[in-house]
Amino acid sequence: GAVVSQHPSWVICKSGTSVKIECRSLDFQATTMFWYRQFPKQSLMLMATSNEGSKATYEQGVEKDKFLINHASLTLSTLTVTSAHPEDSSFYICSARRYGRSSYNEQFFGPGTRLTVL
Amino acid sequence: GESVGLHLPTLSVQEGDNSIINCAYSNSASDYFIWYKQESGKGPQFIIDIRSNMDKRQGQRVTVLLNKTVKHLSLQIAATQPGDSAVYFCAENYGGSQGNLIFGKGTKLSVKP
Repeated sequence: GAVVSQHPSWVICKSGTSVKIECRSLDFQATTMFWYRQFPKQSLMLMATSNEGSKATYEQGVEKDKFLINHASLTLSTLTVTSAHPEDSSFYICSARRYGRSSYNEQFFGPGTRLTVL
Repeated sequence: GESVGLHLPTLSVQEGDNSIINCAYSNSASDYFIWYKQESGKGPQFIIDIRSNMDKRQGQRVTVLLNKTVKHLSLQIAATQPGDSAVYFCAENYGGSQGNLIFGKGTKLSVKP
């Protein structure tokens, strides 16, 4: 159990277009989902925390108007990269925290989405 | 902002040897620690975790050691196999059950057959 999927697994787009990435918890409900970005040979950097039914909390330096997050249900969060530019090319990974379980911050990670902006 | 041009530390071991990957964490108040394995082009895969009230935890072929005095975490892999080749990240949880995970820089493990 505790499977998280992401769609698409990779996407190539032109500069200036917007791209939507979906994160789904397949067999559990997630009140909180997290979005991370990972550049080559670097670690995961938290971009934002997404809570179901409320506004996302963005980390310092992450533009909320550029990276739109919607967490409309307990199993789905979306990240939209608006007006993408080549510097937004990265590996985007989501994770989900299982609702009502564990007193610790147990997160389950998706497989990631490779975004390439031309 | 992100740092650029970093090179991951690399640990190269012979198949069958034991591997030890080290990690220094940031916050004395962190209460939960996790080791993840990440293969190229994939998301992090949970390996083992440890809570701050413990100093050692064992899994199958893996052991995590926690030294809170010096804020140090290590992952020991016994009888390392080629399939263990990957990048390994430690993560610390800061802020309790509603907190955030802070990831370490990562170590690339290469296993020579």
